[in-house]
Amino acid sequence: KAGVTQTPRYLIKTRGQQVTLSCSPISGHRSVSWYQQTPGQGLQFLFEYFSETQRNKGNFPGRFSGRQFSNSRSEMNVSTLELGDSALYLCASSLTGSNQPQHFGDGTRLSIL
Amino acid sequence: GDSVTQMEGPVTLSEEAFLTINCTYTATGYPSLFWYVQYPGEGLQLLLKATKADDKGSNKGFEATYRKETTSFHLEKGSVQVSDSAVYFCALSHRNRDDKIIFGKGTRLHILP
Repeated sequence: KAGVTQTPRYLIKTRGQQVTLSCSPISGHRSVSWYQQTPGQGLQFLFEYFSETQRNKGNFPGRFSGRQFSNSRSEMNVSTLELGDSALYLCASSLTGSNQPQHFGDGTRLSIL
Repeated sequence: GDSVTQMEGPVTLSEEAFLTINCTYTATGYPSLFWYVQYPGEGLQLLLKATKADDKGSNKGFEATYRKETTSFHLEKGSVQVSDSAVYFCALSHRNRDDKIIFGKGTRLHILP
């Protein structure tokens, strides 16, 4: 059974640009959550999508957005990139919700120059 | 609101030493408790879990007991190996609520040969 797949693994962008990250959950999983991981702040919850609807949201500015498709694949978008957005972005999936044990991908490492 | 507090790292031990990583939580009701592990360059993996008071979760030689009286879920291992070097996250969630998992900040563990 394939795990959670995140693409790309690495990205380098410059300030002001925008970026889209992709996450394919484990087959059958309907909930996809996104996290930002940095050395200073640790693991921070961005949002969760379930059946194409955003169900939970963390405390991030509106520049961070996401969506989920009918096949449960999810994308996360960050607009007007700032230096502080440099981080490892992790996606996790579960059968029914972000309160269930999460299955994580290996992340996308985003570096802002 | 709910929260998880872990001991600050890094924790450095010699191979075959006894390991304890402290975790305490603040939560209403009866949450489920988890330990996740993140190896270098990878996402998080569920290590073990406990869903009610006095339950003991165990996996790969690691153990943690759900102590409601002390609101704790300390991670222990009797004899660590170099391959246990990783970041360990304590987490909680409520099965009956549509809320996200709450993660601690993580504890980095270094095992010296």
